[in-house]
Amino acid sequence: DVVMTQSPLSLPVTPGEPASVSCRSSQSLLDSDGYNYLDWYLQKPGQSPQLLIYLASNRASGVPDRFSGSGSGTNFTLKISRVEAEDIGVYYCVQGLQTPRATFGQGTRLEIK
Amino acid sequence: QINLVQSGAEMKKPGSSVRVSCKTSGGDFSSNVFSWVRQAPGQGLEWMGGIIPLFPTVNYAQKFQVRVTITADKSTKTVHLELTNLRSEDTAVYYCADRWGNWGQGTQVTVSS
Repeated sequence: DVVMTQSPLSLPVTPGEPASVSCRSSQSLLDSDGYNYLDWYLQKPGQSPQLLIYLASNRASGVPDRFSGSGSGTNFTLKISRVEAEDIGVYYCVQGLQTPRATFGQGTRLEIK
Repeated sequence: QINLVQSGAEMKKPGSSVRVSCKTSGGDFSSNVFSWVRQAPGQGLEWMGGIIPLFPTVNYAQKFQVRVTITADKSTKTVHLELTNLRSEDTAVYYCADRWGNWGQGTQVTVSS
């Protein structure tokens, strides 16, 4: 099974400052079709997870452009250019290379300093 | 727009079984990919299994292989999760999700004697 490893697990950030979350997979998520099957989700307190980034670098509909995703193969990054108070919650990466099989990272809790 | 609506909260005794439903509307049900994900109190997201109704193709996480069954009813566009031999550690919120990043509202399952 593919293992997903996120870092850091806790991320205190000052509003207006940038933030970055790393996600590494135990095997390449780059498919023969040229896509990396890696998505990013944010779970706000008391809510279902919401999709932020799909296929490693595509922002989902309605997601602010301060969120961006990058990476390929086994190393991926989610960046927030300027953190806002509404961005608090837990960020998860998830791989879907062998759909319907999937694996989540442990989650990264973003908190405001 | 695809909408996923889950069945209501369940209280179960240890050793019993639970069935959670996820009714979908909008989109192409058969060619979609549905996952069941659970979240124990204070913990991260855990993928349990997934199904592609078209074929159907089903995959389960090894941890749940012997206790979980996922089915899809094309006539009602509903996906079901059945978990048997429940124990207290199965107390969690259970979510259905699809390949497009749509999630149900979650179903609380509580296992207690």
